[in-house]
Amino acid sequence: SQQGEEDPQALSIQEGENATMNCSYKTSINNLQWYRQNSGRGLVHLILIRSNEREKHSGRLRVTLDTSKKSSSLLITASRAADTASYFCATALNYGQNFVFGPGTRLSVLP
Amino acid sequence: EAGVAQSPRYKIIEKRQSVAFWCNPISGHATLYWYQQILGQGPKLLIQFQNNGVVDDSQLPKDRFSAERLKGVDSTLKIQPAKLEDSAVYLCASAPPPGRETQYFGPGTRLLVL
Repeated sequence: SQQGEEDPQALSIQEGENATMNCSYKTSINNLQWYRQNSGRGLVHLILIRSNEREKHSGRLRVTLDTSKKSSSLLITASRAADTASYFCATALNYGQNFVFGPGTRLSVLP
Repeated sequence: EAGVAQSPRYKIIEKRQSVAFWCNPISGHATLYWYQQILGQGPKLLIQFQNNGVVDDSQLPKDRFSAERLKGVDSTLKIQPAKLEDSAVYLCASAPPPGRETQYFGPGTRLLVL
């Protein structure tokens, strides 16, 4: 079974709205990362949050991590059409290895 | 800085044929990964190299898949013989020292097995 599971599977919003995606995982982790994948392209790293951190920001992105609930959320504020992509969480069970990706959330931002 | 290079970008073969994919990581990146991404799913790690040694190949179907990273730079992933269920995008990624935590992905090779 998947270590990471994103929720929702698909999300459609209007430009300017905020988008929130969630990731749940099953076992203890060293860190959790979020990646973006545009259609037909490779993945791009967005942000990494370590198991001893609770929140991180990067531009319009805000990531939270709740290790007691084994869950993380990615918030994209003031979304743009260019944010349309699939978003994946990846957990690292050990430092620098054993990466497991979830099935992803497909985000559509409508102009 | 040049990104991760992969070739070919697309490949169509018939089942039971062999196929090989090539990856050249970002210069100086000691860690290299191969992932399989089936349509609509997240990437699944096949193998992780640290220089030319294998760190994790627990999910590599070793009866048909093989990978090598001679000289600790570029890498080749081979499938022999291919099955229909091998149709997927094969992604290569590399990570810099010392933490190898952030991965940089190539564009992938899209394989279709008929």
